[in-house]
Amino acid sequence: EPEVTQTPSHQVTQMGQEVILRCVPISNHLYFYWYRQILGQKVEFLVSFYNNEISEKSEIFDDQFSVERPDGSNFTLKIRSTKLEDSAMYFCASSRQGANTEAFFGQGTRLTVV
Amino acid sequence: TQLLEQSPQFLSIQEGENLTVYCNSSSVFSSLQWYRQEPGEGPVLLVTVVTGGEVKKLKRLTFQFGDARKDSSLHITAAQPGDTGLYLCAGALTGANNLFFGTGTRLTVIP
Repeated sequence: EPEVTQTPSHQVTQMGQEVILRCVPISNHLYFYWYRQILGQKVEFLVSFYNNEISEKSEIFDDQFSVERPDGSNFTLKIRSTKLEDSAMYFCASSRQGANTEAFFGQGTRLTVV
Repeated sequence: TQLLEQSPQFLSIQEGENLTVYCNSSSVFSSLQWYRQEPGEGPVLLVTVVTGGEVKKLKRLTFQFGDARKDSSLHITAAQPGDTGLYLCAGALTGANNLFFGTGTRLTVIP
């Protein structure tokens, strides 16, 4: 069964450092998403991506964040200068036709900023 | 304010009992999805409902979308320990390309 894969599963970084989280969405899906979940809190939307550009972003997704689809399979989230409050689980998701169709989530990357 | 409120927040029941989890909002959604999430893992999709009044069944789980598409419920019949987990509802607003997640219901089924 196709699945969304994310790497790494865990990432520890020092405050101020740049991190890149990687995702391989399901191959025939066209819409890609990043969500995050701070420990004990709800899942929050960060950004959606379609046709090689951002289609929506939340207030959380400020200038420190960027997304890229560098090739035909990978979808990355970059945090330029990490802050302590960026510590969270980051989930990549993909769907075939947008938010009204089923979104499939990866296993997540646990980011710890120290 | 939360866009999607789930209740109860925590639920602990005995094996074999029935339960209902509610997902409520003042907003109208074009679709609503239910997920289950295990600790340290990503949400796993259970069902998507798109039509007001729609009812979908997945074995012992019954999902209903409210007539006005503002609320949804998840009913589990004869709960089993394997049903233990965090249940999340998530809604898509018309024209938006993202999901708003609910606050979650943590279910524990005691053998």
